[in-house]
Amino acid sequence: QSVLTQPPSASGTPGQRVIISCSGSRSNIEINYVHWYQQLPGTAPKLLIYRNNQRPSGVPDRFSASKSGTSASLAISGLRSEDEADYYCAAWDDSLSVGLFGGGTKLTVL
Amino acid sequence: QVQLVESGGGVVQPGRSLRLSCAASGFTFSDYGMHWVRQAPGKGLEWVALISYHGSSKYYADSVKGRFTISRDNSKNTLYLQMNSLRAEDTAVYYCAREVGDVWGQGTTVTVSS
Repeated sequence: QSVLTQPPSASGTPGQRVIISCSGSRSNIEINYVHWYQQLPGTAPKLLIYRNNQRPSGVPDRFSASKSGTSASLAISGLRSEDEADYYCAAWDDSLSVGLFGGGTKLTVL
Repeated sequence: QVQLVESGGGVVQPGRSLRLSCAASGFTFSDYGMHWVRQAPGKGLEWVALISYHGSSKYYADSVKGRFTISRDNSKNTLYLQMNSLRAEDTAVYYCAREVGDVWGQGTTVTVSS
């Protein structure tokens, strides 16, 4: 069981908006940056969002993220079939001095 | 171009050792902290270890503490993971990643099996 909690699955139809949540605690999400990764089957993870809400160059603005207290969320708008992937949140934990990943959310585009 | 290339994976018996390498290119390696992250078959990502840019600070997941050692050679632009006393549960694809995870290697597979 991960210290960062994500729903195991999410789904939506093309064009819809989907939100994936990531719940943690004060020692990780509340006081440290949250990053989000997308992993397509058989490939290495790709950075989608860093430092809570920053998009690397090349990531479409359909992807956005926010953080409030001990929770963070990733929003994907204008859902497309190529968005079907696993999504992970990550944060450093100051109490444990370890990096943490959420358990991952498998997004299905119906 | 900015690139990380892992090597050193393979099949190893329980209790034996293996050393993974991660060769960096296209950026100033010594400016960045580096991570090892692994993914067991069909499972999610698991953070393994972090080393600071200068190598003096190291952090480990509880699952590998005391068995794995992260190190780096900035003169060779290379990150290492020495894995001792390997267990079946260490079987995974091992990735190296730069600081916030903006650059990842392609992964190297470690299988621990008798």
